Amino acid sequence: TQLLEQSPQFLSIQEGENLTVYCNSSSVFSSLQWYRQEPGEGPVLLVTVVTGGEVKKLKRLTFQFGDARKDSSLHITAAQPGDTGLYLCAGARSNDYKLSFGAGTTVTVRA
Amino acid sequence: EAGVAQSPRYKIIEKRQSVAFWCNPISGHATLYWYQQILGQGPKLLIQFQNNGVVDDSQLPKDRFSAERLKGVDSTLKIQPAKLEDSAVYLCASSLYSWGYEQYFGPGTRLTVT
Repeated sequence: TQLLEQSPQFLSIQEGENLTVYCNSSSVFSSLQWYRQEPGEGPVLLVTVVTGGEVKKLKRLTFQFGDARKDSSLHITAAQPGDTGLYLCAGARSNDYKLSFGAGTTVTVRA
Repeated sequence: EAGVAQSPRYKIIEKRQSVAFWCNPISGHATLYWYQQILGQGPKLLIQFQNNGVVDDSQLPKDRFSAERLKGVDSTLKIQPAKLEDSAVYLCASSLYSWGYEQYFGPGTRLTVT
């Protein structure tokens, strides 16, 4: 059983559309990270959120940490083919600070 | 700054054979992690080193997996003997300090056990 549940598992959209990926858990996290992983490469950190209710923007990407620090979302505006990849959320719990990864959402943006 | 280096990039072996993976972290990074990523799943931590000491190996199948980080720099992960279910991508990551700091991942080694 995954500590972090990501949805949807797969997402295929047309260039220019918007998308949202969700990361949910019943556990409380001291911090939550989002990574993007391209085929044949390791994950690359996009953002870290640490405060409940926090919203961070990175160009066309908006990350939100839930008020209770149990869930997070990633929203991409006007998606581009370069946004294609596996998006992983990873949470660190305050009792041990280990990173637990979700199974990921595979995003495909068609030109 | 050079990233995390891993080799080999791909390896195909038969079950019951042994295999070793190598990782060279970013210079100056004290913490090194080995993760296993099975297709369709997120990375799962196998072992964490702080300098040359083991911090966490609770999810390492110690009957067949071993890892070392001599001199606190590069590291090797070994599987002996391999099983079919060991087919996965093995990722190495490093961070400046321990948990809570940004982890930098290498490209991974894709292992196929036939």
